[in-house]
Amino acid sequence: AQSVTQLGSHVSVSEGALVLLRCNYSSSVPPYLFWYVQYPNQGLQLLLKYTSAATLVKGINGFEAEFKKSETSFHLTKPSAHMSDAAEYFCAVSDGSGGSNYKLTFGKGTLLTVNP
Amino acid sequence: SQTIHQWPATLVQPVGSPLSLECTVEGTSNPNLYWYRQAAGRGLQLLFYSVGIGQISSEVPQNLSASRPQDRQFILSSKKLLLSDSGFYLCAWSRGLAGNREQFFGPGTRLTVL
Repeated sequence: AQSVTQLGSHVSVSEGALVLLRCNYSSSVPPYLFWYVQYPNQGLQLLLKYTSAATLVKGINGFEAEFKKSETSFHLTKPSAHMSDAAEYFCAVSDGSGGSNYKLTFGKGTLLTVNP
Repeated sequence: SQTIHQWPATLVQPVGSPLSLECTVEGTSNPNLYWYRQAAGRGLQLLFYSVGIGQISSEVPQNLSASRPQDRQFILSSKKLLLSDSGFYLCAWSRGLAGNREQFFGPGTRLTVL
């Protein structure tokens, strides 16, 4: 069975500082991994995805994530936080095992606050 | 390009009343469709998914039901709402087997049951 753990339900950074949001996954087969962002009272927007190609994935809004199989991690980073990055971020995994090709398993989310 | 619509955007309903939320997708055919509920501090809970017309899979036992009367239409229903049904309901779609499994989300419906 697949699962996702996001360490830290709330992360606070200063504007211009590095953003690091942590995600660890559990999967019995090579996974597909995703990061989504959700602004208040809106749906989720795909930031980036890993689908077994390059391990360093670049997404929208200057975010990137690195797939590390040995650490079963897919942490999200951005070199310099902007006020507009304040939102909730969700990591998700799909490994297609057990007939679950169609389903994503989401972490509980990390709320990012950016201080001026 | 593909778009996904949900309505209504917000809804306030009394306990025991019926519910119908609608989701439609444009610009694609034979999508996989999903209903999620998001409660405060609890992440996303997958409620139902569908891989085709009339094909519904339920993920959790509850007093909600889903239907897919047309290829790009997905409906979430309840005969009698409970207080615990309050939350933010999200519809999503993905491409079929040939896709990369990413899901695309609608704007959501905020449901408050009083």
